[in-house]
Amino acid sequence: GQNIDQPTEMTATEGAIVQINCTYQTSGFNGLFWYQQHAGEAPTFLSYNVLDGLEEKGRFSSFLSRSKGYSYLLLKELQMKDSASYLCAVSDYQLIWGAGTKLIIKP
Amino acid sequence: EPEVTQTPSHQVTQMGQEVILRCVPISNHLYFYWYRQILGQKVEFLVSFYNNEISEKSEIFDDQFSVERPDGSNFTLKIRSTKLEDSAMYFCASSASTGIYGYTFGSGTRLTVV
Repeated sequence: GQNIDQPTEMTATEGAIVQINCTYQTSGFNGLFWYQQHAGEAPTFLSYNVLDGLEEKGRFSSFLSRSKGYSYLLLKELQMKDSASYLCAVSDYQLIWGAGTKLIIKP
Repeated sequence: EPEVTQTPSHQVTQMGQEVILRCVPISNHLYFYWYRQILGQKVEFLVSFYNNEISEKSEIFDDQFSVERPDGSNFTLKIRSTKLEDSAMYFCASSASTGIYGYTFGSGTRLTVV
């Protein structure tokens, strides 16, 4: 079956670093995406990994290990506006979504 | 930056009525998708569309649903006889190819069935 797991909720402090993990089991794999979603809004693209390793983009980095079926999203220098849900999705000709991790940033 | 445009942003309809949700994908994209998200739940795939035909659909996409690309720009989702459980945010997305560089999502249509 298709399964994507991520923590339901995480809390972090403004200015700190947080790592959001995602594990997946899917029948196919064409890449792993991370999206940010604010309540009531559409998901917005953050990162894409198709090869093993780390992709860095400003304050956001994403890591992939295909052999372990594992990815993480690393957010540095957290800002209050980073409070949102972070969705892990695997592409298998369509996107298979995790339930999302709600990130709460405290001052 | 190119956008995927969805209309309307909100739609309230009575149970049993037909609704059509409209999307204008990015002009040079070839793959089109509909997803839905029931409040508080995960995003769910409904259907993908390529070369003027459905390429994949989920179990959710039953006979009540249909998609159409009536002209070169619009991509529509029709729900023939809405049910209360169809209440959700419906997102249209498009991509230049499958699985590469992500999908661009529209801002969504919030459908409320009463």
